[in-house]
Amino acid sequence: GESVGLHLPTLSVQEGDNSIINCAYSNSASDYFIWYKQESGKGPQFIIDIRSNMDKRQGQRVTVLLNKTVKHLSLQIAATQPGDSAVYFCAESGDKIIFGKGTRLHILP
Amino acid sequence: GAGVSQSPRYKVTKRGQDVALRCDPISGHVSLYWYRQALGQGPEFLTYFNYEAQQDKSGLPNDRFSAERPEGSISTLTIQRTEQRDSAMYRCASSSSLETQYFGPGTRLLVL
Repeated sequence: GESVGLHLPTLSVQEGDNSIINCAYSNSASDYFIWYKQESGKGPQFIIDIRSNMDKRQGQRVTVLLNKTVKHLSLQIAATQPGDSAVYFCAESGDKIIFGKGTRLHILP
Repeated sequence: GAGVSQSPRYKVTKRGQDVALRCDPISGHVSLYWYRQALGQGPEFLTYFNYEAQQDKSGLPNDRFSAERPEGSISTLTIQRTEQRDSAMYRCASSSSLETQYFGPGTRLLVL
């Protein structure tokens, strides 16, 4: 069936380094992708989105890359900070919304 | 049923009226989320529950919005004194802890 999934359940990154969180999707018809951040005890918060007619989009310290050929989405966080510790979800939206499993980002001091 | 269900699927109401939107999550799912989705945009988080406890309601736009999940299963999102700007698709999702969220079909609300 259709699914959106993340390659790694947990990612540990040194503070100050860049983080890359990956996501694979299977629905070729999806035309809109979103990254969410969920901190402990809180709901998912929107980080950045990208439409299928783009392959890269940058925000503040974050970049999303979309590779439609291999159905791959990634979130890059520059200069990772302790406040970036959270679970990150990718989601695809088309005729329906599919959330992937989260990747927990640990920041090492 | 196997999936998340929501009712009603469509709701048209007059400005100033109260509306109650219902979500029936997947049986056994601990977490239940409410989102609002504008046309062409991704879901915007409103609130979520673990069992019957409301964990985070920071996404509720104002005090006209409230949600409850009294028995840890079905949830109701209530909007009091509706305004035209409340018109949107309201989506519910459920999950087992921090696992994949499964979305319901949504309730499309139109406030006239």
